[in-house]
Amino acid sequence: AQSVSQHNHHVILSEAASLELGCNYSYGGTVNLFWYVQYPGQHLQLLLKYFSGDPLVKGIKGFEAEFIKSKFSFNLRKPSVQWSDTAEYFCAVNLQSGGSYIPTFGRGTSLIVHP
Amino acid sequence: DSGVTQTPKHLITATGQRVTLRCSPRSGDLSVYWYQQSLDQGLQFLIQYYNGEERAKGNILERFSAQQFPDLHSELNLSSLELGDSALYFCASSVVLEENTEAFFGQGTRLTVV
Repeated sequence: AQSVSQHNHHVILSEAASLELGCNYSYGGTVNLFWYVQYPGQHLQLLLKYFSGDPLVKGIKGFEAEFIKSKFSFNLRKPSVQWSDTAEYFCAVNLQSGGSYIPTFGRGTSLIVHP
Repeated sequence: DSGVTQTPKHLITATGQRVTLRCSPRSGDLSVYWYQQSLDQGLQFLIQYYNGEERAKGNILERFSAQQFPDLHSELNLSSLELGDSALYFCASSVVLEENTEAFFGQGTRLTVV
């Protein structure tokens, strides 16, 4: 069963445009949500994460995400994108499996930013 | 640099062959995860080891196996390779097995089966 889903698979923007990438979750239990980024040719790295507290989470490189419980959403935002934000973005959740937790990813969104 | 090292970076092999992918986790991390990334399937979890023991299994084929050694490095063995096994294979590591744990990823091994 899909636990996180990303509906935008490909997004193309011009520099300075605003960005919002959708992520919806569909699992029970304690909320833990992550956004990871994969720059071309590089490893996945954490942008930000949410477990509790302020639903507006700020991450690295000017990214933020808002947890909206009523909408089961955790969308990623950036007010003004740069060419260097071109990358693949993954929403993720740590799903319980037996006595362990497994990082489980959405299909990813490919973002291309034109200079 | 995430601190997770994967070798080799690229691997080209023929159908029917067997390959071994290697992963060294971040210093101090006990948990290692293996993932397969392909264009049509996204990032698929294969298997997890924690301190030398298998802890969780995902969509791992019977032709694939893994192990984690006493020094905590891990190897993923892929045998009887098929064209469809061509993909990027990632290793990730984390300190503990908690739900709020961040995973740290290696740069991956790109496997091409010809």
